[in-house]
This record gives sequence, C-alpha cells and structure tokens, in this order.
Amino acid sequence: AQRVTQPEKLLSVFKGAPVELKCNYSYSGSPELFWYVQYSRQRLQLLLRHISRESIKGFTADLNKGETSFHLKKPFAQEEDSAMYYCALRGWGGGADGLTFGKGTHLIIQP
Amino acid sequence: DGGITQSPKYLFRKEGQNVTLSCEQNLNHDAMYWYRQDPGQGLRLIYYSQIVNDFQKGDIAEGYSVSREKKESFPLTVTSAQKNPTTFYLCASTYSGLAGELFFGEGSRLTVL
Repeated sequence: AQRVTQPEKLLSVFKGAPVELKCNYSYSGSPELFWYVQYSRQRLQLLLRHISRESIKGFTADLNKGETSFHLKKPFAQEEDSAMYYCALRGWGGGADGLTFGKGTHLIIQP
Repeated sequence: DGGITQSPKYLFRKEGQNVTLSCEQNLNHDAMYWYRQDPGQGLRLIYYSQIVNDFQKGDIAEGYSVSREKKESFPLTVTSAQKNPTTFYLCASTYSGLAGELFFGEGSRLTVL
C-alpha cells in the first residue's frame, strides 16, 4: 500500500528564515509526487510536481528515492507563505487511480 | 468563468436526514472526485468517477452515495448513516484519471444538528 507521511502538523518560522516542510512516502515503484497548498479562504491548488522540476513562488522540492522523501524548501520565508501544505503521491495500485494525500502541515510565518 | 462550483457553501442537517451536495465543472474534465477534509486527517477520498455513468468507492465511502449522469456534474449524498458531525467536503476534477493536477472547488461545510 502507498502512504504519505508529513510528520509536522504545525511549523512556525520567522520571516526571512529558511523553510523545509517534510514529506516521506512509502511506495515500491516509481511514484509521482506533488505539493498542494491551501491559503486562507482560497481553494486547494497545485503548487508543484516533481516531474516538472520547477520553482514556484520560490519553493522547490527534490525527489530523493533513496530516502523516499519529497521535502518542500524555500530559502527565505515570506508572510504570504502562511498556508496549509499537503504532499501527495500518485502510484499505481492504490485507490482512486493512485492519488494519496498526507495529513498536511500548517505553515505559519511570523513577522 | 471556468472552474468547479460547489453548493451550498454551508449546510445543516438533522440526524436521520439525507442531504445532497452539488459539484459542477465546466472545464470539460473527465474525472471527478469527492474528498473529506478533517483537521489532522488531511484529505480522504470518498468517491471518484473517471467517466460518465461510472464511479468507484474511495477509502471512506460508507454513509455516502454519488451519481454521474452528466460529465459536468457529480453530486454527493450524505445519508443518515453518516454519523460524523461538522465536516468539510471538497470536490475536485482533472482531465483524466491519470493526471496529477486536481482542480478543487471551494468546499461545502456540513453541520449535523
């Protein structure tokens, strides 16, 4: 079975400090990994996916197959980054054509 | 204005009562999904549909039912068997069941009185 673990329910950092939201996964094959974000009073939306290897709003995430991780990083946090972040995995064999979400991390950027 | 529309945003039901949440999309997406979002639980899949007239149970389908008579619409009925109190429902869609980017609605909050 595939599983996504986000160990931190809440992460609080100061503006300008580096941010790292952790995501670990369990899957035997080659997964697709995603980060979704939900800002206050806005819809849940895709932030980035590992396949595109892009940087969105200063965030990057690298798939580390050896450590089965897909941590989300930003070198200098901004107040507008405060939001709920979900890591998601698409595998082959799980339910719903294989898309599994983690439980989410609430990121708070303090001024 | 394209997108996914969920209605109503807020809904109350009494115990023993069935209620239906609406989800409509004009994005011409094939696949549609219903999730529950509970604090500390993340998103849990209730039902999904990859094509019209076909749908599959997700991880927590008990107490729910759906239909997919039209490509644009995927209503969710919360039956009286669903005992959980206030919770938040999210509808999503994507071009095909194998795509990674889900497009979400604004959500519907259901409170059991």
